[in-house]
Amino acid sequence: DAGVIQSPRHEVTEMGQEVTLRCKPISGHDYLFWYRQTMMRGLELLIYFNNNVPIDDSGMPEDRFSAKMPNASFSTLKIQPSEPRDSAVYFCASSPYREGTEAFFGQGTRLTVV
Amino acid sequence: AQTVTQSQPEMSVQEAETVTLSCTYDTSESDYYLFWYKQPPSRQMILVIRQEAYKQQNATENRFSVNFQKAAKSFSLKISDSQLGDAAMYFCAYMNYGGSQGNLIFGKGTKLSVKP
Repeated sequence: DAGVIQSPRHEVTEMGQEVTLRCKPISGHDYLFWYRQTMMRGLELLIYFNNNVPIDDSGMPEDRFSAKMPNASFSTLKIQPSEPRDSAVYFCASSPYREGTEAFFGQGTRLTVV
Repeated sequence: AQTVTQSQPEMSVQEAETVTLSCTYDTSESDYYLFWYKQPPSRQMILVIRQEAYKQQNATENRFSVNFQKAAKSFSLKISDSQLGDAAMYFCAYMNYGGSQGNLIFGKGTKLSVKP
């Protein structure tokens, strides 16, 4: 398997623009997670899905952030409108429904909002 | 709520030497999992080692081993025979037992440098 695939790897956008980050989880995995990594806050969970259903979005910082998982092989994280403080690395991760299994991470998208 | 603390923002080790990275956590649960992830400059998060809280035996993976002290809520990582490729950020992470698999709480990380 190719692992978790995220696109784009890098994104530079202007403040106020809409940004969409994409993720393809590992086939057969039941859980999908979106994490954000910043110097100040470290790695924090934004939202996660189980079988395409959002379970916990309490980590989503504001209404400007939204995430969808229309099918088992695709998820998006959208920021609209983007702000400079959204600049971070955004990771997608997936895991199977097997007790004690860790999350498998994609390579992340580095987002810069100028 | 569970928390994970890594008190060493940066560490340095000489190649071929041994280094220990510290991690403490707070939880009221008795069953859980602990992990160490490595993040090299490529940004990829790579699992280094896993420990189940119900196992008393410390986990070992080749040159990597942990010292798991459940009562003290301590979970340190020992890297033996350090190699240049070990230079990276290391994150300690906690996961509840019986919850959503992969839902991790991370520490802030320790940046490890390896000197040739």
